[in-house]
Amino acid sequence: GEDVEQSLFLSVREGDSSVINCTYTDSSSTYLYWYKQEPGAGLQLLTYIFSNMDMKQDQRLTVLLNKKDKHLSLRIADTQTGDSAIYFCAEIGMGSSNTGKLIFGQGTTLQVKP
Amino acid sequence: DAGITQSPRYKITETGRQVTLMCHQTWSHSYMFWYRQDLGHGLRLIYYSAAADITDKGEVPDGYVVSRSKTENFPLTLESATRSQTSVYFCASSDSGRSGGELFFGEGSRLTVL
Repeated sequence: GEDVEQSLFLSVREGDSSVINCTYTDSSSTYLYWYKQEPGAGLQLLTYIFSNMDMKQDQRLTVLLNKKDKHLSLRIADTQTGDSAIYFCAEIGMGSSNTGKLIFGQGTTLQVKP
Repeated sequence: DAGITQSPRYKITETGRQVTLMCHQTWSHSYMFWYRQDLGHGLRLIYYSAAADITDKGEVPDGYVVSRSKTENFPLTLESATRSQTSVYFCASSDSGRSGGELFFGEGSRLTVL
């Protein structure tokens, strides 16, 4: 079945780059997403990438997609303490391209030390 | 205010009681979702709805009931709460015609079943 896997925890120093990795199983996914969850809040869309792209850059964020290996990564440059949060990778569920029905990974907790 | 709101934000109940979590969105989004968030499992889809009076099961629907008589409301009912339903519940909505189906999340309802 569909599955999205992430490592659970990442700790970095302020100013360093963070790389959060994700693997997914559904090769037909049209969109892949990164959501951010701050403490006590719901998830917010951080960025997304269309499946025909290899890379997308948005200010400090770089998303890399390796379709062959079904691997997605999120790089945050110059990580700040305000980036501390849980980051979720998500893919569109099989047959759900018109519904927005997403399959989420377990979430990676990013800890940024000053 | 515009957005998606959940109530109650916190609820403590006892095993066997019925509990209803409310979700209201003001965007007239077609799609609405209920997810539960548990440590180690990320977000798992309980039920979703494509429009008023159209609902469908997600990954973990057992023990839950939903209804969607109006586009803006999507209540989730636990008919006879069990301890395993202790979780944080997130409602989300989507207008799948935009941004590849971005989900907009409420702030969550934290439910404890004693």
